[in-house]
Amino acid sequence: GDSVTQMEGPVTLSEEAFLTINCTYTATGYPSLFWYVQYPGEGLQLLLKATKADDKGSNKGFEATYRKETTSFHLEKGSVQVSDSAVYFCSSANAGGTSYGKLTFGQGTILTVHP
Amino acid sequence: GAGVSQSPSNKVTEKGKDVELRCDPISGHTALYWYRQRLGQGLEFLIYFQGNSAPDKSGLPSDRFSAERTGESVSTLTIQRTQQEDSAVYLCASRPEGGANTEAFFGQGTRLTVV
Repeated sequence: GDSVTQMEGPVTLSEEAFLTINCTYTATGYPSLFWYVQYPGEGLQLLLKATKADDKGSNKGFEATYRKETTSFHLEKGSVQVSDSAVYFCSSANAGGTSYGKLTFGQGTILTVHP
Repeated sequence: GAGVSQSPSNKVTEKGKDVELRCDPISGHTALYWYRQRLGQGLEFLIYFQGNSAPDKSGLPSDRFSAERTGESVSTLTIQRTQQEDSAVYLCASRPEGGANTEAFFGQGTRLTVV
């Protein structure tokens, strides 16, 4: 079945550091890919998405590119802020077959940014 | 409503009792999802609905777990004869339609504690 694997966490960075959180997926067909974020005390919300190969999703300075050849969707930000401290989840949405529309999530990566 | 609503927000129950968790999706959303999030863990898929049917129930941990959805609206997740390992946050999400490209909207979750 479909699966999503994120890099081990937690990740601790200083403000203005560069961030990469790795995500790889296995899927039947070509899923859509998402990053969701959960800020402290809040529910999960969409950060960005990409729906086909080579698409780049971006939001709030974060970017991720859908790489079909490496089945990856790594999240990057050039300069993190304290307010980016949160849990980040990579997700895939099944695009065909009997589980059409099923959403699969990675295990989440806790990011802490220090001033 | 304005968002996905889950009730109760917190539930403490004695081992062996049955519990019922409720999810009210955003009006008009046809796809509805249930996940379990144990402390420090990722999102564990339980079940999802397309309308009133459940194409994939593979994530339900045992026959003590069941879910239903009526009228393409409210869904209830029932856990019978609760065990301590059932303690977790149960998250519900909905999507406008069950395709691959749309964003999922999450509720705040129900925190279940089995004592």
